[in-house]
Amino acid sequence: AQRVTQPEKLLSVFKGAPVELKCNYSYSGSPELFWYVQYSRQRLQLLLRHISRESIKGFTADLNKGETSFHLKKPFAQEEDSAMYYCALTYSNTGKLIFGQGTTLQVKP
Amino acid sequence: EPEVTQTPSHQVTQMGQEVILRCVPISNHLYFYWYRQILGQKVEFLVSFYNNEISEKSEIFDDQFSVERPDGSNFTLKIRSTKLEDSAMYFCASSVTGENEKLFFGSGTQLSVL
Repeated sequence: AQRVTQPEKLLSVFKGAPVELKCNYSYSGSPELFWYVQYSRQRLQLLLRHISRESIKGFTADLNKGETSFHLKKPFAQEEDSAMYYCALTYSNTGKLIFGQGTTLQVKP
Repeated sequence: EPEVTQTPSHQVTQMGQEVILRCVPISNHLYFYWYRQILGQKVEFLVSFYNNEISEKSEIFDDQFSVERPDGSNFTLKIRSTKLEDSAMYFCASSVTGENEKLFFGSGTQLSVL
């Protein structure tokens, strides 16, 4: 069965420190992977998707098919990065997303 | 930027009552979705809807649930006879196409079943 695992419920770092939010998935085919973010009192919004290979707000994520991972990274965390981050995958053309549990990123001043 | 709108933001109901959660997707979007998140758990897919019919549904989406696009703008989720375990945040989302692209989410309706 398809599954997304985010092992950390909470990640707390100091401002300026590197950040890595872990995401592992299980799916035998070629999924599309996404990171969604939810800032305090705001809606879920797309942060980035692996096929775009883009960097948004300094965040990047590389799909590693060998390790079935899609970790989210940022070299220098900012306080405004504090939010809930969800890794998600899709494999169908119906828009169905399978979400991980989410990781709360707390960036301390 | 256009947004998906959901009403109400909070809904409290008695067990066994019917509830209708309302959503207005982004106007040029063709695919519509409902997701839910029980407190402390993952965001879960419920159903996707395209061309006035369900294109995919999860095991959660049983006979108690139905979706409808009653006019050109609204997309509703009806729970026929609510149970305590239906208490959750319900998110509506929409996208232009269904093919692995960005979903735009509403801000959610918090449903509390007493």
